Amino acid sequence: ELKVEQNPLFLSMQEGKNYTIYCNYSTTSDRLYWYRQDPGKSLESLFVLLSNGAVKQEGRLMASLDTKARLSTLHITAAVHDLSATYFCAVDSGTNNDYKLSFGAGTTVTVRA
Amino acid sequence: DAGVIQSPRHEVTEMGQEVTLRCKPISGHDYLFWYRQTMMRGLELLIYFNNNVPIDDSGMPEDRFSAKMPNASFSTLKIQPSEPRDSAVYFCASSPGLMPNEKLFFGSGTQLSVL
Repeated sequence: ELKVEQNPLFLSMQEGKNYTIYCNYSTTSDRLYWYRQDPGKSLESLFVLLSNGAVKQEGRLMASLDTKARLSTLHITAAVHDLSATYFCAVDSGTNNDYKLSFGAGTTVTVRA
Repeated sequence: DAGVIQSPRHEVTEMGQEVTLRCKPISGHDYLFWYRQTMMRGLELLIYFNNNVPIDDSGMPEDRFSAKMPNASFSTLKIQPSEPRDSAVYFCASSPGLMPNEKLFFGSGTQLSVL
């Protein structure tokens, strides 16, 4: 069974500072996804990482993937209040025709002034 | 496009009752997924369809759960009989195909409470 572990599960951020969320997974997949969920809302796709060494950036968020270490990181630069949300990483098996996504438990981020 | 449309947004029912959740995927999308979100188990895939055909239903918890996709624009997830442990948010998601997880669009979810 594919396992996905995120840490920390809760992250209190101070505005203007930098933070990192880690996502470890148990399979050899090179397909990893990051999602954002606001309270009571649906999931919004943030990044799709499809190869070792992949790096994607959008605004203050940057995601990277190290398939050899089976690790992805989501780096937040100069946190702002709008980034308060729960962030999920998810992995599929990496094999064709198997599109079951396994999600981490999520990291709930709160940004304070 | 209106996105993935789920109904109802909220459903409150009593244990033992039948519950039907509905989903309209984005037009032209070949894949449709049903996920469930709970505090205890997080986000779990229940079942997914490709071109209206169920591909993987290994996540369906038990025989009380069934899902259908009678055509490309409609899917249902039925629970009969419902139990309090079925209380969760149920998300439907659709994708245009090839590598479906690369462009996965989620609906707003149905919040189910079984009393």
